[in-house]
Parts: sequence; structure tokens; C-alpha cells
Amino acid sequence: AAGVIQSPRHLIKEKRETATLKCYPIPRHDTVYWYQQGPGQDPQFLISFYEKMQSDKGSIPDRFSAQQFSDYHSELNMSSLELGDSALYFCASSQQGRVTEAFFGQGTRLTVV
Amino acid sequence: TQLLEQSPQFLSIQEGENLTVYCNSSSVFSSLQWYRQEPGEGPVLLVTVVTGGEVKKLKRLTFQFGDARKDSSLHITAAQTGDTGLYLCAGYYTGGSNYKLTFGKGTLLTVNP
Repeated sequence: AAGVIQSPRHLIKEKRETATLKCYPIPRHDTVYWYQQGPGQDPQFLISFYEKMQSDKGSIPDRFSAQQFSDYHSELNMSSLELGDSALYFCASSQQGRVTEAFFGQGTRLTVV
Repeated sequence: TQLLEQSPQFLSIQEGENLTVYCNSSSVFSSLQWYRQEPGEGPVLLVTVVTGGEVKKLKRLTFQFGDARKDSSLHITAAQTGDTGLYLCAGYYTGGSNYKLTFGKGTLLTVNP
């Protein structure tokens, strides 16, 4: 079965650079979530989109922005990168309904040097 | 404030032993999910529980949702080294956003040969 696809898997950037992370949800899933996970931490919710509109917002820095496109894929844009942005970034997708189950991608490991 | 409290935070056992990990909250959840995560990988959905009092079995894993839908447990019988990983509970709490999956901090399980 098709899963959530994230690209790239690994990314190394320098401080103050910009990064773009991509997420391709499971077909027919209408909701995308972005999470950030630091070492030894639980996933922290950043932002979510439902039907291409922002649906909820968590602890996403102002330097980050995201959107969901007409084909339901999503991109997380990160500017003015800081060392503290180094983390695993996960995308998950779900289909809204009586029972909503979120499925996660393999993640993008971002290292800021 | 962490809506979902998981215990224990760390657990190290010998192969063949049984164990139970807990996920507790003061909030009611419309559904609760258990994930297993290996280092550097995305969380993998194990099970979703929806109905209060529900019990689900997945081979040697037994999941229970509390009657009031505020807590859940995961019991592993005859643990194997392959069960090693971070076990996360996550849910959508009633009255909250359907577009934000809230995570507990996880239980890091190590099964020693």
C-alpha cells in the first residue's frame, strides 16, 4: 500500500540558509500534518492542512511557512535556519472521518551547521 | 501542559518477560493511537482504539482503551528483542482540534537478549 512520502530524507544546510521539505500524502487523504522531533523528544506539532487550507497551528516559528497544494502534497519552507532547527521533521496524512488515523512518513533529517 | 502522560518513560527488560506501558490523560479522547518508532524513522501506527473499554490484540500486543476514554495501556507478552523501540500514544481529544494529533512523551523499551 502507498505510504506517506517525504523528500529529501536527509538535508544539510548552513545557518541562515533556506530549506524546503516536501510531503506526498497517502492517496485520498485530505489532511496533512507537520511535526518536529528533536533528539529524545516526542513529536511536536507544527501545523496542519485540511483540503488545502490551514486547519491548525502549533509551535511553528514565524520563520517557517507551509502550504498544501491542489494535488494535496505539502511543503514546509524554513528560512533563516538556526542550529536549533536541526531535527527530524515528519509529515503525516489522514482522512477526516469518524475515526481519523494518521500515518507518518519516514521523515527528513535536517542538520543545520 | 502535557495532555498525555506516558509511563514508564524508560523500560529495560529481558527477552521473554511481559510488560505493560500506560498512557493517561485528564481529557477525554475521541480516538487514541499507539505508534512504535525506531531511531531515525517515522512512527508506525500499531492500533487505533475508539470505544471506551475496547480491547484489541495484535499478536503478542494487547491494547486497551479505558472506559472513560481517558487512558490506555499496551501489554506485550513474551517480549522479543525486535520489540525494542519508542512506543508513543497519541490521540484526538474530544472538544479539541480534529487536525492536531497530540502525542505523549513515549516509553523507550529495550528488550535485552
